[in-house]
Amino acid sequence: AQSVTQLGSHVSVSEGALVLLRCNYSSSVPPYLFWYVQYPNQGLQLLLKYTSAATLVKGINGFEAEFKKSETSFHLTKPSAHMSDAAEYFCAVSSPMNTGNQFYFGTGTSLTVIP
Amino acid sequence: GAVVSQHPSRVICKSGTSVKIECRSLDFQATTMFWYRQFPKQSLMLMATSNEGSKATYEQGVEKDKFLINHASLTLSTLTVTSAHPEDSSFYICSARDLRAAYGYTFGSGTRLTVV
Repeated sequence: AQSVTQLGSHVSVSEGALVLLRCNYSSSVPPYLFWYVQYPNQGLQLLLKYTSAATLVKGINGFEAEFKKSETSFHLTKPSAHMSDAAEYFCAVSSPMNTGNQFYFGTGTSLTVIP
Repeated sequence: GAVVSQHPSRVICKSGTSVKIECRSLDFQATTMFWYRQFPKQSLMLMATSNEGSKATYEQGVEKDKFLINHASLTLSTLTVTSAHPEDSSFYICSARDLRAAYGYTFGSGTRLTVV
């Protein structure tokens, strides 16, 4: 079975401050991990993904995430928040070993950037 | 990159009517597409997996007779909400797997369904 837990449904940061969105996963098979961003009334846009290569993954818009197997974590970070980063962020887990290849999404974290 | 077009983006319908939502892969062929439902302030829940040329696989608790899925071609999957009720109001999102990319899944822009 696979699942993800996103700690903190709401995170607020000041513009220019560090962004840290937490994601912990549970998986009985080697996981693939993803971060998606969703703007209001829009679909999901892939920020980055971990697929068993480098543990530190760099994505779009200055975001990066580090896969830590020992901590079963895949936290998303950005050194300096921008107003345009305000959105909903979803962590997801999947695995090529799953039949169906479906994603399991976390409950999401709403990021607010304070000017 | 892979593009998935979802239409319509918003639809309002009367209770008891049916609504069709289309999901198209524009620049790649998708043998498998997925339909998700998202309630306000909540995560995405997989409803069903749509397989080209065969019946869709529905997740537990999803009424297959209410949410009809057709994947008649390699670039088009449709979700029809039949006899819609206000509780069907939600945000529906499709995704398609692009086999050209390593584990490439692309999501549509979503459809906001409101049943009045």
